[in-house]
Amino acid sequence: NAGVTQTPKFQVLKTGQSMTLQCAQDMNHNSMYWYRQDPGMGLRLIYYSASEGTTDKGEVPNGYNVSRLNKREFSLRLESAAPSQTSVYFCASSERFDRGLTGRKPQHFGDGTRLSIL
Amino acid sequence: GENVEQHPSTLSVQEGDSAVIKCTYSDSASNYFPWYKQELGKGPQLIIDIRSNVGEKKDQRIAVTLNKTAKHFSLHITETQPEDSAVYFCAARVSGTYKYIFGTGTRLKVLA
Repeated sequence: NAGVTQTPKFQVLKTGQSMTLQCAQDMNHNSMYWYRQDPGMGLRLIYYSASEGTTDKGEVPNGYNVSRLNKREFSLRLESAAPSQTSVYFCASSERFDRGLTGRKPQHFGDGTRLSIL
Repeated sequence: GENVEQHPSTLSVQEGDSAVIKCTYSDSASNYFPWYKQELGKGPQLIIDIRSNVGEKKDQRIAVTLNKTAKHFSLHITETQPEDSAVYFCAARVSGTYKYIFGTGTRLKVLA
């Protein structure tokens, strides 16, 4: 059981280049998330997808786009990379919340993509 | 906006001692609080969680307490072992949404 798989694990880009980070989960989860992790700042939400067919902005969406390709896959795209986007990127997934948005629905994380932009 | 503050940022304890990490949240309607452990080069892994209708939850050497009035929740690790060394994150789910707000993390070092 792989859980959440992220590719690539490492990447170096030049300023202005574009790339797509891939994420896939095999737990039949409805909700998926993209975070960035920077030293001393914890995990900050970039975008999330509550269910297949929907996406919403998180705390720090500028410079990013996402695609919920199907229930399993959620990709993050940098159209024109900037040095400020150097970070570790994590994808996560969770079960669907009930209509009252209550309940224990922990997130399951991948092992991250370490991205450096020169 | 919603915020979660986490203290301390670093914590060193002797093997066998206890460790306590504290978090404060701003959204009084938050109802779910997970704790994650992150080892070097890995993603965060859920270690324990608590819902707002419970004051304390324990799982072997790990416990979490919640004070809804004060909007505080804490992670307690007893009889610490070197393998407990990692970065720990608290989080709070933003009420009425699918979003979580994370604390800034605590680096725990257990000294043998």
